[in-house]
Parts: sequence; structure tokens; C-alpha cells
Amino acid sequence: ELKVEQNPLFLSMQEGKNYTIYCNYSTTSDRLYWYRQDPGKSLESLFVLLSNGAVKQEGRLMASLDTKARLSTLHITAAVHDLSATYFCAVVYGNKLVFGAGTILRVKS
Amino acid sequence: NAGVTQTPKFRILKIGQSMTLQCTQDMNHNYMYWYRQDPGMGLKLIYYSVGAGITDKGEVPNGYNVSRSTTEDFPLRLELAAPSQTSVYFCASSWNTEAFFGQGTRLTVV
Repeated sequence: ELKVEQNPLFLSMQEGKNYTIYCNYSTTSDRLYWYRQDPGKSLESLFVLLSNGAVKQEGRLMASLDTKARLSTLHITAAVHDLSATYFCAVVYGNKLVFGAGTILRVKS
Repeated sequence: NAGVTQTPKFRILKIGQSMTLQCTQDMNHNYMYWYRQDPGMGLKLIYYSVGAGITDKGEVPNGYNVSRSTTEDFPLRLELAAPSQTSVYFCASSWNTEAFFGQGTRLTVV
């Protein structure tokens, strides 16, 4: 059974700093998603990563995938307050979409 | 283009009552999912479907039932509601590289 682990689970960072969220998964998969969730809201799709070495960037967020290491990273560059949210990775396993526990990100002014 | 639509948005149930959470998608996606999200937690898969007439259990199926008579609709039925089913329920649909979520149904069982 697939296990998806994110770390850290909680991240408090200063504006302007850089940080990385990690997503490890236990079984081979060919698709990984990153989502953002604001309090009381639904999930917003950020990235879908399909192949080894895939890198995608949108604004201050950059996601990468290493299928050999079963690891994806979400890198935050020069954080701003608007990035405060919970970030989830989700991995396709057979016909299922399995989520990590989420990383709560708080960016302090 | 409505995407994934869930109804109702909020509901309070008494213990032992039953209800159906509705989920409809207009993107012709074959795959549909039901998740629950407890406060401060991640999403746990309840049931999923790979097409009309085909459903399968996820991680936490007890106390729930689903059906998939059409590609568009994937209702989730709660029988004999219990306080442990208090949660936010999300429906999602996907095909190929697309995966979209509905706005959620916040359910409280008292």
C-alpha cells in the first residue's frame, strides 16, 4: 500500500526567506500533484509532475520530481504573506489518488 | 464550465439519520473520488470510481456507500450517521493529468 509522507508538517517562515517542502512516497508512481488549500476552502491545483526530472515553476513556487528517489520537492523563493496556506502532495497509485498529511505554511511579516 | 459541483454545502444531521451527498462533474472525466478531511488533517479516500458502474473502496469506507450510474454523477450515501462522520467531504474528478475538486460539504452529526 502506498504511503505518502510530507515534511515538515508545519512551517513558520519570515517573508523574503526560502524554504523547501518534501514529499516522499513508498511505491512507484507516474504522476504527482501539488495542491494548495486556504482555510475553509477547497483544493487548488498547483502542479502536476509526470516524469523523472520534471520541474515546474509558477511565481515563487517551484516543484520537482525525482522518481528514482520517490521524492518531490516544493521550493518557495522569497516567501510573501499571500503564500500562507496548507500545501498537499498527492500521488497516483493504481486508480487511486493518495494524499500526504499536508504542510501548514505560515509566512510572517 | 461548472467543473465539480457538490451539494449541499453545509448540513447538520442527527445521530442515526441518513443522507446523500451529491457530486456532479461536467468534464466527462472517468475517474471520481470521495474524500473526507477532518480538522487539521489530510484527505482520506472513502470510495472511488473508474467509470460508470464501477466503484471500489478506499481507505475509510465503513459507514458509507456510493453508486455510479452515469459518468457525471457520483453520490455518497451515509446510513445511520454517527458523530465520527462529522467532517468536510470533498468530491474530485480526474482524467489523464487533470484532477479537480469540488467546493466541499461541511457535515456535522449531533
